[in-house]
Amino acid sequence: ETGVTQTPRHLVMGMTNKKSLKCEQHLGHNAMYWYKQSAKKPLELMFVYSLEERVENNSVPSRFSPECPNSSHLFLHLHTLQPEDSALYLCASSQGPLVTFFGQGTRLTVV
Amino acid sequence: QKEVEQDPGPLSVPEGAIVSLNCTYSNSAFQYFMWYRQYSRKGPELLMYTYSSGNKEDGRFTAQVDKSSKYISLFIRDSQPSDSATYLCAAANTGFQKLVFGTGTRLLVSP
Repeated sequence: ETGVTQTPRHLVMGMTNKKSLKCEQHLGHNAMYWYKQSAKKPLELMFVYSLEERVENNSVPSRFSPECPNSSHLFLHLHTLQPEDSALYLCASSQGPLVTFFGQGTRLTVV
Repeated sequence: QKEVEQDPGPLSVPEGAIVSLNCTYSNSAFQYFMWYRQYSRKGPELLMYTYSSGNKEDGRFTAQVDKSSKYISLFIRDSQPSDSATYLCAAANTGFQKLVFGTGTRLLVSP
């Protein structure tokens, strides 16, 4: 079983809702990531946190807001999303620079 | 032009066949090359990674990189139905955290 746990596994939200995705890693890693996976598109890196500091943003719209309160937990706060934001959101962690472990993802549908 | 190109498939083979999965890339600064396997409704898992050119073998899997032609390959010997999954190639320069992924190739191994 994966050492990276994501909740919820599925989420349906309206465009005016606010919700949060949660990620927890049990591996003692020092870096955590949010990726977006859309059908027929490559995995897109959204955010990187290394030692709890954000090091990469990749020009993600401000309706996505990450939070990393400690090295084991990562959140993605969502508000006023668009239907095109529907995708699989993957959390990952690593010890050092090589991304090694992904969570199972949250399947998000924006209606 | 996408930085990492990958045929989406599906690639269908009979059990026991040798499978060849391929990617091309355009950024000559890439030094690290990775293959991930993603089963349906799961997150990607790291299969293998290589540095620069050459081959790396792990059991039935062989990763090959040809930097002169910017070509990445993953060979699977004696393919099994349990190998049926989507295979993602990825590349990075020395800033490992900025992995660039291909779209993934879906592999179907029939008994």
